[in-house]
Amino acid sequence: GESVGLHLPTLSVQEGDNSIINCAYSNSASDYFIWYKQESGKGPQFIIDIRSNMDKRQGQRVTVLLNKTVKHLSLQIAATQPGDSAVYFCAEIGYGSGNTGKLIFGQGTTLQVKP
Amino acid sequence: KAGVTQTPRYLIKTRGQQVTLSCSPISGHRSVSWYQQTPGQGLQFLFEYFSETQRNKGNFPGRFSGRQFSNSRSEMNVSTLELGDSALYLCASSLMGRDTEAFFGQGTRLTVV
Repeated sequence: GESVGLHLPTLSVQEGDNSIINCAYSNSASDYFIWYKQESGKGPQFIIDIRSNMDKRQGQRVTVLLNKTVKHLSLQIAATQPGDSAVYFCAEIGYGSGNTGKLIFGQGTTLQVKP
Repeated sequence: KAGVTQTPRYLIKTRGQQVTLSCSPISGHRSVSWYQQTPGQGLQFLFEYFSETQRNKGNFPGRFSGRQFSNSRSEMNVSTLELGDSALYLCASSLMGRDTEAFFGQGTRLTVV
């Protein structure tokens, strides 16, 4: 069945370094992907999205890369800061009426930023 | 622009009771989706409402139900609560619910004792 998975449950980085969080998805028909950040006690916060007709999209300090050939998604955070410490989720939506409003989430990667 | 508002933030209920959670989406958004988040299962899709109609449903028992009003506000109801229903319930709003940005509320933390 459909699944969206992240390669590592925990990622520890030094403040100021770049972080790369990976995600593998299995549904080749998925056409829209979103990265969310969730801090303790809060709901997921939208970071950046990308559609399947793109392979890269940049935001403020974040870049999302999409490799449809190997069904891989990554989130790159430049100059990681302590405030970036959180759980990061990738999510996808696929084609078809049965997929409206239905985000399929990966299990999440906890990013720990060391001062 | 106000974000997604969920009420209440916290709830404690007893097994067998029922509970109603509320979600007010971002103004202009017509799609509201509900998710259950637990440490073991992660974020699981419950259902999606669009223009007062349930458009999609996840794999949850019939004890979980919802509705959407003409102003796009949505409620979800869980009847005959079980201990395993303890979770963070999140709602997300988006313009159209498919390939448009979805924004989450802070969630309602439900504890069943």
